[in-house]
Amino acid sequence: KNEVEQSPQNLTAQEEEFITINCSYSVGISALHWLQQHPGGGIVSLFMLSSGKKKHGRLIATINIQEKHSSLHITASHPRDSAVYICAAQNTGNQFYFGTGTSLTVIP
Amino acid sequence: KAGVTQTPRYLIKTRGQQVTLSCSPISGHRSVSWYQQTPGQGLQFLFEYFSETQRNKGNFPGRFSGRQFSNSRSEMNVSTLELGDSALYLCASREQPQGDFNSPLHFGNGTRLTVT
Repeated sequence: KNEVEQSPQNLTAQEEEFITINCSYSVGISALHWLQQHPGGGIVSLFMLSSGKKKHGRLIATINIQEKHSSLHITASHPRDSAVYICAAQNTGNQFYFGTGTSLTVIP
Repeated sequence: KAGVTQTPRYLIKTRGQQVTLSCSPISGHRSVSWYQQTPGQGLQFLFEYFSETQRNKGNFPGRFSGRQFSNSRSEMNVSTLELGDSALYLCASREQPQGDFNSPLHFGNGTRLTVT
Protein backbone atom coordinates (compact mmCIF):
# COMPACT_ATOMS: atom_id res chain seq x y z
CA LYS A 1 0.00 0.00 0.00
CA ASN A 2 1.43 3.37 -1.00
CA GLU A 3 1.06 6.18 1.47
CA VAL A 4 1.13 8.70 -1.40
CA GLU A 5 -0.65 8.26 -4.72
CA GLN A 6 -0.10 10.57 -7.67
CA SER A 7 -1.98 10.90 -10.93
CA PRO A 8 -1.55 10.89 -13.78
CA GLN A 9 1.72 8.96 -14.15
CA ASN A 10 2.41 10.47 -17.54
CA LEU A 11 1.07 13.64 -19.09
CA THR A 12 1.61 15.19 -22.50
CA ALA A 13 0.33 18.70 -23.09
CA GLN A 14 0.45 21.34 -25.79
CA GLU A 15 2.22 24.58 -24.97
CA GLU A 16 -0.06 27.07 -23.18
CA GLU A 17 -2.33 24.32 -21.81
CA PHE A 18 -3.46 24.38 -18.17
CA ILE A 19 -2.09 21.34 -16.33
CA THR A 20 -3.19 19.67 -13.11
CA ILE A 21 -1.34 16.96 -11.21
CA ASN A 22 -3.06 15.31 -8.27
CA CYS A 23 -1.70 13.82 -5.05
CA SER A 24 -3.59 11.86 -2.40
CA TYR A 25 -2.00 10.74 0.85
CA SER A 26 -3.04 8.51 3.73
CA VAL A 27 -0.68 9.62 6.52
CA GLY A 28 -1.17 12.48 8.94
CA ILE A 29 1.05 15.26 7.69
CA SER A 30 2.83 18.28 9.02
CA ALA A 31 3.63 19.43 5.47
CA LEU A 32 3.19 18.45 1.82
CA HIS A 33 6.03 19.09 -0.62
CA TRP A 34 5.96 19.40 -4.40
CA LEU A 35 9.27 18.66 -6.09
CA GLN A 36 10.49 18.97 -9.68
CA GLN A 37 13.11 16.65 -11.14
CA HIS A 38 14.76 17.27 -14.48
CA PRO A 39 16.61 14.64 -16.51
CA GLY A 40 20.01 14.16 -14.93
CA GLY A 41 18.54 13.89 -11.46
CA GLY A 42 18.56 17.34 -9.91
CA ILE A 43 15.55 17.94 -7.66
CA VAL A 44 14.15 21.36 -6.88
CA SER A 45 11.60 22.10 -4.19
CA LEU A 46 8.64 23.97 -5.70
CA PHE A 47 6.30 24.25 -2.75
CA MET A 48 5.93 23.28 0.87
CA LEU A 49 2.43 23.73 2.23
CA SER A 50 0.35 22.67 5.19
CA SER A 51 -2.88 24.46 4.35
CA GLY A 52 -4.60 26.51 1.67
CA LYS A 53 -2.88 27.60 -1.49
CA LYS A 54 0.49 28.93 -2.66
CA LYS A 55 1.49 30.53 -5.95
CA HIS A 56 4.88 31.08 -7.59
CA GLY A 57 4.66 32.57 -11.05
CA ARG A 58 2.71 30.15 -13.25
CA LEU A 59 2.66 27.42 -10.60
CA ILE A 60 -0.10 27.03 -8.03
CA ALA A 61 -0.32 24.40 -5.29
CA THR A 62 -3.41 23.70 -3.21
CA ILE A 63 -4.09 21.35 -0.34
CA ASN A 64 -7.28 20.07 1.30
CA ILE A 65 -6.31 18.65 4.68
CA GLN A 66 -9.74 17.11 5.37
CA GLU A 67 -9.73 15.23 2.06
CA LYS A 68 -5.98 14.46 2.24
CA HIS A 69 -5.50 15.75 -1.26
CA SER A 70 -3.21 18.24 -2.97
CA SER A 71 -2.99 19.52 -6.52
CA LEU A 72 -0.26 21.21 -8.52
CA HIS A 73 -1.42 23.44 -11.34
CA ILE A 74 0.68 24.90 -14.13
CA THR A 75 -0.91 27.72 -16.07
CA ALA A 76 0.19 28.53 -19.63
CA SER A 77 2.53 25.54 -19.76
CA HIS A 78 5.85 25.84 -21.56
CA PRO A 79 8.29 23.22 -22.91
CA ARG A 80 10.73 24.13 -20.14
CA ASP A 81 8.14 22.82 -17.66
CA SER A 82 8.84 19.31 -18.99
CA ALA A 83 10.08 17.34 -15.98
CA VAL A 84 8.98 14.80 -13.40
CA TYR A 85 6.84 16.26 -10.62
CA ILE A 86 6.90 14.46 -7.29
CA CYS A 87 4.60 14.86 -4.32
CA ALA A 88 6.03 14.13 -0.86
CA ALA A 89 4.14 13.85 2.41
CA GLN A 90 6.09 14.80 5.53
CA ASN A 91 4.38 13.03 8.39
CA THR A 92 4.13 14.29 11.95
CA GLY A 93 7.25 12.23 12.79
CA ASN A 94 9.20 14.05 10.06
CA GLN A 95 9.49 11.01 7.84
CA PHE A 96 8.90 11.48 4.13
CA TYR A 97 6.70 9.42 1.81
CA PHE A 98 6.95 10.02 -1.91
CA GLY A 99 4.61 9.59 -4.81
CA THR A 100 5.89 7.78 -7.90
CA GLY A 101 6.00 11.02 -9.85
CA THR A 102 4.22 12.48 -12.87
CA SER A 103 6.27 12.72 -16.03
CA LEU A 104 5.19 15.86 -17.88
CA THR A 105 6.07 16.61 -21.49
CA VAL A 106 5.01 19.94 -22.95
CA ILE A 107 5.07 20.06 -26.74
CA PRO A 108 5.69 23.37 -28.54
CA LYS B 1 25.37 30.72 -0.83
CA ALA B 2 26.75 27.52 -2.26
CA GLY B 3 24.20 24.76 -2.74
CA VAL B 4 24.17 21.26 -1.31
CA THR B 5 27.28 19.38 -2.44
CA GLN B 6 27.46 15.62 -2.74
CA THR B 7 30.61 13.65 -3.44
CA PRO B 8 31.44 11.62 -5.35
CA ARG B 9 29.04 12.03 -8.30
CA TYR B 10 29.57 8.49 -9.56
CA LEU B 11 30.79 5.35 -7.86
CA ILE B 12 31.19 1.74 -8.95
CA LYS B 13 31.56 -0.92 -6.28
CA THR B 14 31.49 -4.70 -6.08
CA ARG B 15 29.03 -6.80 -4.11
CA GLY B 16 30.14 -7.23 -0.51
CA GLN B 17 32.14 -4.02 -0.39
CA GLN B 18 31.17 -0.98 1.64
CA VAL B 19 30.78 2.61 0.52
CA THR B 20 30.72 6.04 2.13
CA LEU B 21 28.96 8.99 0.53
CA SER B 22 29.39 12.59 1.60
CA CYS B 23 27.00 15.54 1.77
CA SER B 24 27.83 19.16 2.59
CA PRO B 25 24.69 21.17 3.35
CA ILE B 26 24.00 24.81 2.60
CA SER B 27 25.77 27.00 5.12
CA GLY B 28 23.55 27.52 8.17
CA HIS B 29 21.37 24.48 7.51
CA ARG B 30 21.33 22.10 10.44
CA SER B 31 19.23 19.27 9.05
CA VAL B 32 20.51 16.77 6.49
CA SER B 33 18.38 13.94 5.14
CA TRP B 34 19.22 11.10 2.78
CA TYR B 35 17.14 9.41 0.08
CA GLN B 36 17.48 6.48 -2.29
CA GLN B 37 16.00 6.70 -5.78
CA THR B 38 15.59 3.66 -8.03
CA PRO B 39 13.50 3.14 -11.18
CA GLY B 40 11.46 0.45 -9.43
CA GLN B 41 10.84 1.98 -6.00
CA GLY B 42 11.12 5.68 -6.77
CA LEU B 43 12.29 8.00 -4.02
CA GLN B 44 12.54 6.54 -0.53
CA PHE B 45 13.50 8.24 2.72
CA LEU B 46 16.56 6.80 4.45
CA PHE B 47 17.16 9.00 7.52
CA GLU B 48 17.49 12.53 8.78
CA TYR B 49 20.10 14.09 11.02
CA PHE B 50 19.75 17.26 13.03
CA SER B 51 22.49 18.69 15.23
CA GLU B 52 24.53 15.47 14.96
CA THR B 53 21.63 13.25 16.07
CA GLN B 54 19.60 10.90 13.92
CA ARG B 55 16.10 12.26 14.27
CA ASN B 56 14.17 9.71 12.27
CA LYS B 57 14.69 6.76 9.99
CA GLY B 58 12.99 5.11 7.06
CA ASN B 59 12.44 1.43 6.48
CA PHE B 60 15.91 0.30 5.42
CA PRO B 61 18.12 -2.46 6.81
CA GLY B 62 20.87 -1.76 9.31
CA ARG B 63 23.47 -1.94 6.53
CA PHE B 64 22.50 1.65 5.81
CA SER B 65 23.85 4.06 8.39
CA GLY B 66 24.84 7.66 8.63
CA ARG B 67 26.29 10.33 10.80
CA GLN B 68 26.46 14.08 11.02
CA PHE B 69 29.43 16.14 12.11
CA SER B 70 29.51 19.32 14.18
CA ASN B 71 29.78 21.41 10.99
CA SER B 72 26.52 19.76 9.76
CA ARG B 73 28.28 17.78 7.02
CA SER B 74 26.90 14.28 6.79
CA GLU B 75 28.10 10.91 5.59
CA MET B 76 26.10 7.86 4.64
CA ASN B 77 27.57 4.39 4.76
CA VAL B 78 26.33 1.21 3.15
CA SER B 79 28.03 -2.00 4.21
CA THR B 80 28.00 -5.39 2.49
CA LEU B 81 26.73 -3.96 -0.77
CA GLU B 82 24.09 -5.85 -2.75
CA LEU B 83 23.17 -5.50 -6.41
CA GLY B 84 19.86 -3.95 -5.36
CA ASP B 85 21.69 -1.07 -3.69
CA SER B 86 22.46 0.36 -7.12
CA ALA B 87 20.66 3.69 -7.08
CA LEU B 88 20.89 7.45 -7.07
CA TYR B 89 21.50 8.59 -3.50
CA LEU B 90 20.34 12.12 -2.77
CA CYS B 91 20.82 14.26 0.24
CA ALA B 92 18.88 17.37 1.16
CA SER B 93 19.42 20.06 3.74
CA ARG B 94 16.91 22.23 5.55
CA GLU B 95 17.41 25.36 7.61
CA GLN B 96 14.94 24.56 10.41
CA PRO B 97 15.45 27.66 12.54
CA GLN B 98 14.44 27.31 16.17
CA GLY B 99 13.48 23.67 15.65
CA ASP B 100 10.78 24.47 13.10
CA PHE B 101 10.47 21.14 11.32
CA ASN B 102 8.59 22.53 8.37
CA SER B 103 11.06 24.09 5.99
CA PRO B 104 11.78 23.47 2.31
CA LEU B 105 14.21 20.79 1.20
CA HIS B 106 17.30 21.75 -0.78
CA PHE B 107 18.67 18.79 -2.70
CA GLY B 108 22.15 17.97 -3.90
CA ASN B 109 22.73 16.50 -7.36
CA GLY B 110 23.17 13.02 -5.96
CA THR B 111 25.70 10.19 -6.06
CA ARG B 112 24.99 7.49 -8.60
CA LEU B 113 26.12 4.17 -7.12
CA THR B 114 26.49 1.09 -9.30
CA VAL B 115 27.06 -2.26 -7.61
CA THR B 116 28.43 -5.02 -9.84
